[in-house]
Amino acid sequence: TQLLEQSPQFLSIQEGENLTVYCNSSSVFSSLQWYRQEPGEGPVLLVTVVTGGEVKKLKRLTFQFGDARKDSSLHITAAQPGDTGLYLCAGEAHEYGNKLVFGAGTILRVKS
Amino acid sequence: KAGVTQTPRYLIKTRGQQVTLSCSPISGHRSVSWYQQTPGQGLQFLFEYFSETQRNKGNFPGRFSGRQFSNSRSEMNVSTLELGDSALYLCASSRNRAQDSPLHFGNGTRLTVT
Repeated sequence: TQLLEQSPQFLSIQEGENLTVYCNSSSVFSSLQWYRQEPGEGPVLLVTVVTGGEVKKLKRLTFQFGDARKDSSLHITAAQPGDTGLYLCAGEAHEYGNKLVFGAGTILRVKS
Repeated sequence: KAGVTQTPRYLIKTRGQQVTLSCSPISGHRSVSWYQQTPGQGLQFLFEYFSETQRNKGNFPGRFSGRQFSNSRSEMNVSTLELGDSALYLCASSRNRAQDSPLHFGNGTRLTVT
């Protein structure tokens, strides 16, 4: 059982479409991070959110941390082929010994 | 500034053998964490080393071990390899403890056990 549930598992869309990826848990996290991983490479940190209700924007990417700090979402506007990759959420919770736990990820494919 | 370097990139071993993977962190980073990534389980935390001491450990058997040297470089060892150990092993470094500062991942070592 994943401590962080990500949905959907796979997403294939056309260039220009919008999409949202979700990261949910029954646990409260002190912070949540989003990473993107491309084939043959390690994950790269996109953003860290630490305050319940926090919204952060990174160009066409919008990240939100739930008010109760149990969930997060990543919204991409006007997706481009360069957004293709594996999106991972990761969080720290005291009940997990402050280890960084990862969701299984969402594979995004943006077709041109 | 050089990133996190992992060697080797690819490794093929036989069941029962042992393997050592190496990780050189970003200069100035004192923490090194190791993760196992498989299609079925995603990224699973193995352990974190900070200032040459293991600070945190995941739920892996004792066959998995590691160490960190005074220059912050780290090695991970897996003994008595099993087929299920086939995975991408990722190392990540951070300036301070992993929960206090961003992680920077290497590109991993792809281990195949036959």
